[in-house]
Amino acid sequence: DAGVIQSPRHEVTEMGQEVTLRCKPISGHNSLFWYRQTMMRGLELLIYFNNNVPIDDSGMPEDRFSAKMPNASFSTLKIQPSEPRDSAVYFCASSFGDRETQYFGPGTRLLVL
Amino acid sequence: TQLLEQSPQFLSIQEGENLTVYCNSSSVFSSLQWYRQEPGEGPVLLVTVVTGGEVKKLKRLTFQFGDARKDSSLHITAAQPGDTGLYLCAGAGGSNYKLTFGKGTLLTVNP
Repeated sequence: DAGVIQSPRHEVTEMGQEVTLRCKPISGHNSLFWYRQTMMRGLELLIYFNNNVPIDDSGMPEDRFSAKMPNASFSTLKIQPSEPRDSAVYFCASSFGDRETQYFGPGTRLLVL
Repeated sequence: TQLLEQSPQFLSIQEGENLTVYCNSSSVFSSLQWYRQEPGEGPVLLVTVVTGGEVKKLKRLTFQFGDARKDSSLHITAAQPGDTGLYLCAGAGGSNYKLTFGKGTLLTVNP
């Protein structure tokens, strides 16, 4: 079975541009998480969806960040406008139930110049 | 805010040596997980410990959860170059979906 799929794997953009990160969770999983990893802050939860509904978005840094899950097999994380401090690795993870093992994707490495 | 402190931050050892890394907090967690992350990849779950004082073994890796469920340790016996990676601990509180991650210990095992 395929694991969590993320695209793109790498993204380089200029400050002010819109960035969209994509995630396909493992089939059958009903919980989806977006994380951000930086050297300074480590791995932080941005938002959590259960059955396609956002349950906890308290980790979303500010209004420039938004996330959607239109169906069980697809989610997006959008940054508009992007800023250099958004540079990080963004991970998507999914699980079968919110208390079960989370399986992480390979991440999207974002660099905002 | 629950915080997890991991130590050491960096560790470089020779193949065959033993090592222990630590994960400490002032908060109580309902469970604690250990992950290993390799370069360019996402974290992969190694183990979950739930009961205070619990010890779990995974081949050459031994995980222990503190009696008070505030801290944990990972001991590797006879480290191998394949053990190289970032080791992360993560604690689950009341809302078990919400994991608090430490910043990790970056382990390098030299051949």
